[in-house]
Amino acid sequence: KQEVTQIPAALSVPEGENLVLNCSFTDSAIYNLQWFRQDPGKGLTSLLLIQSSQREQTSGRLNASLDKSSGRSTLYIAASQPGDSATYLCAVYSGAGSYQLTFGKGTKLSVIP
Amino acid sequence: EAQVTQNPRYLITVTGKKLTVTCSQNMNHEYMSWYRQDPGLGLRQIYYSMNVEVTDKGDVPEGYKVSRKEKRNFPLILESPSPNQTSLYFCASRTGATNEQFFGPGTRLTVL
Repeated sequence: KQEVTQIPAALSVPEGENLVLNCSFTDSAIYNLQWFRQDPGKGLTSLLLIQSSQREQTSGRLNASLDKSSGRSTLYIAASQPGDSATYLCAVYSGAGSYQLTFGKGTKLSVIP
Repeated sequence: EAQVTQNPRYLITVTGKKLTVTCSQNMNHEYMSWYRQDPGLGLRQIYYSMNVEVTDKGDVPEGYKVSRKEKRNFPLILESPSPNQTSLYFCASRTGATNEQFFGPGTRLTVL
């Protein structure tokens, strides 16, 4: 069964810093990996989707990488802003009949002005 | 605007009183699913549907029912809610092309 782990569980950084959030998964047979952002009590906003054949995706100040062989993904946030404060969730879509998206428990990011 | 909608957004009910949470998507997605989110446990899949009239259990299906009579709608039914079903519920749909998931805004359910 696929398991997804996100480290650290919480992170606090001063505004302007670059930071990296980590995601690891146990089964490398994945179709894709998706990073989401969740604000308190709100829904999930899709940030980046990386297909299993891709190594990275970029959107603005965000860059996500994927290393299937080692079961790892990172989300890089450049020049962090207080508005980036949220919980970031990593989710892995494992196919082969599974049709299931397995989530990590998230990293809660606080960007201090 | 492409979106997934859920209703109601907030619901307080009592044990045993049947309720339905509706979910609708306007993106013509075949795949839809329901999740619950609980502190310390993260998001867990309740049920999913690969197409009209095709549904299957996720990780935590006990106490829930679903139906998929139309492509756009995927209601979640709690026939006899219990306090342990107090949670934040999310509906999602997925494209067939990229398998990217889109989530609704969530329904916060409290069962007293």
